[in-house]
Amino acid sequence: GENVEQHPSTLSVQEGDSAVIKCTYSDSASNYFPWYKQELGKGPQLIIDIRSNVGEKKDQRIAVTLNKTAKHFSLHITETQPEDSAVYFCAANGSTLTFGKGTMLLVSP
Amino acid sequence: KAGVTQTPRYLIKTRGQQVTLSCSPISGHRSVSWYQQTPGQGLQFLFEYFSETQRNKGNFPGRFSGRQFSNSRSEMNVSTLELGDSALYLCASSLEDRGGDTQYFGPGTRLTVL
Repeated sequence: GENVEQHPSTLSVQEGDSAVIKCTYSDSASNYFPWYKQELGKGPQLIIDIRSNVGEKKDQRIAVTLNKTAKHFSLHITETQPEDSAVYFCAANGSTLTFGKGTMLLVSP
Repeated sequence: KAGVTQTPRYLIKTRGQQVTLSCSPISGHRSVSWYQQTPGQGLQFLFEYFSETQRNKGNFPGRFSGRQFSNSRSEMNVSTLELGDSALYLCASSLEDRGGDTQYFGPGTRLTVL
């Protein structure tokens, strides 16, 4: 089955800096790669996703890139704000949605 | 549209008991998936239902079961609870069951087994 590795497990940045979270996947048949943000006491919330026929997608301060050949995809957050502090999960959809272990992002004012 | 709702939000049970969790998907969504979230293992897939049929099942023991009703609402049941079953149980709904359909999560049910 699909295996998703996510790095780093924790990431601390200063407000205004950029943050990058990277994921690799194993199943070459996977074609859908969502990113979720989970705040304390809440369920994961979709923030952006990308499909295998696209290399990059942007939504305001958030962007995702996908390299199908290398089987990796990344989340980029620019101009980070304290409210960006949360746990971020990447996922890949082979036969089922498989999640990475998560990255705790801490943005200090 | 209302989001995915899960009830109850919190549960405390003792070892050996059983528990039933409920999930109401977003209106119009026909697929419901369940996940177990723990600090050590992250988000792990339990099972997926579409049109009252289990389409996929994760690597969990038979004590974990589920079902889906004709209105797409779903329940999951855990029998003979163990301490290791303490976790956040998340339900997610999507329009169809095709790979690549966006899944929307509920707030989860926090289960504590004593």
